Amino acid sequence: DQQVKQNSPSLSVQEGRISILNCDYTNSMFDYFLWYKKYPAEGPTFLISISSIKDKNEDGRFTVFLNKSAKHLSLHIVPSQPGDSAVYFCGGLTQGGSEKLVFGKGTKLTVNP
Amino acid sequence: DAGVTQSPTHLIKTRGQQVTLRCSPKSGHDTVSWYQQALGQGPQFIFQYYEEEERQRGNFPDRFSGHQFPNYSSELNVNALLLGDSALYLCASSPGTSRATQYFGPGTRLTVL
Repeated sequence: DQQVKQNSPSLSVQEGRISILNCDYTNSMFDYFLWYKKYPAEGPTFLISISSIKDKNEDGRFTVFLNKSAKHLSLHIVPSQPGDSAVYFCGGLTQGGSEKLVFGKGTKLTVNP
Repeated sequence: DAGVTQSPTHLIKTRGQQVTLRCSPKSGHDTVSWYQQALGQGPQFIFQYYEEEERQRGNFPDRFSGHQFPNYSSELNVNALLLGDSALYLCASSPGTSRATQYFGPGTRLTVL
């Protein structure tokens, strides 16, 4: 049972435009979400997080939106840069202090110059 | 300040063998989590160690075991290797507080022949 779903395996955008990466979840016990990006031959790097008590969190060019009723979150990157080309993973943590991160399969973002 | 380090980088084993992977956490971190990332998948939580004890465990068989040392470094042991154990094994460290960001190492690529 896949609790976190990233239904788009890949996404291609032009430099300077907006990248929108989507994530759906089925586990209503998730109360904290994180986005990581991963370059080849490197470990995942933390990008941004959001608590379920919020619907938006912003950090520079990165904004995460959470729609709890739809069990959906999205990561917006504005403006996109070629260095943003990587695989992006969405992850969720459940209530009760669990630190067991549950990840989706990832979306490969390519930003074309 | 060194980040999370893992050794070895790559490893090739044959079915039935045993393997030990090592992880040194980021300075100031006392919690270590291990993840398995198969090709085309997101990282899957194996277990987490805190204060030298296994604090949480994912859906992995007992062939997967671990250890945490007093200096917070950790080992992941896999016995009776199967072809399906071929994957990238990621170690993540974090401070012991709830919802602390997990910082990942570059991983160990294990190939089982």
